[in-house]
Amino acid sequence: NAGVTQTPKFQVLKTGQSMTLQCAQDMNHNSMYWYRQDPGMGLRLIYYSASEGTTDKGEVPNGYNVSRLNKREFSLRLESAAPSQTSVYFCASSEARYEQYFGPGTRLTVT
Amino acid sequence: QKEVEQNSGPLSVPEGAIASLNCTYSDRGSQSFFWYRQYSGKSPELIMFIYSNGDKEDGRFTAQLNKASQYVSLLIRDSQPSDSATYLCAVNNAGGGNKLTFGTGTQLKVEL
Repeated sequence: NAGVTQTPKFQVLKTGQSMTLQCAQDMNHNSMYWYRQDPGMGLRLIYYSASEGTTDKGEVPNGYNVSRLNKREFSLRLESAAPSQTSVYFCASSEARYEQYFGPGTRLTVT
Repeated sequence: QKEVEQNSGPLSVPEGAIASLNCTYSDRGSQSFFWYRQYSGKSPELIMFIYSNGDKEDGRFTAQLNKASQYVSLLIRDSQPSDSATYLCAVNNAGGGNKLTFGTGTQLKVEL
C-alpha cells in the first residue's frame, strides 16, 4: 500500500516551458487535491477534485490546469512556467470530509 | 484576517516538558480540525484529528477543541528531540466541502 505517490521528485524548468506533475493514490479515496507550499505562506490549495469527473479551483489556480484521469490519478499541468511558480507541490487525497493524506512532494524550480 | 492563525514560533521546550501549540480559526461553522507534523523537507503527516468539543488523547498527544472560543490546541507530553518539527493546524470549513484551510504552522524545537 503505497498511499499517495508523486512524480517527479525534483524538476528544473526554464521560463515558458511546460510540464505535468503526476499524482496517484491507492486508498480508493474520492477526493484529491493539489497544494503549493512557499516559505511563510503555508499550504495553499491550487485545485481539487471532490470526486472522479469533477474539478474545482482553489485559492491560487492561475497558471495551472488539472485533470482527474480516473479515481486514482490527478495531474497538475503548468502550461507556461514562470519563476513565481517555483515552489514545493504536494498532492493529497481524502475520503469525503475526513483527513487528507499527502504525497512526498515535488520540488520545482523555474529559472 | 487569516482564516486559520498560528504563532510561527519557534517554540522552544526542554526535553521531557509539555509543548503546547495553539490555533485559532475564524469560521464559526467549522466542523473538523486536524493537526499535521511536517519535518523539514518532508510532506505533512497527520497526527491528530478532532471533531467534538473537549479533549482527545492519543499516546503523548492531546488535541483540545473549544468551538465557542474558536480555538484548537495540541499538547505534546514528554517532548522528545524527534518531536522537533513544524506543526500545521487545518480546519474543514462549513461551506468548504472537502477542502481544508491550513495555518502557516508553528515551529517546535525540543532541546536536550
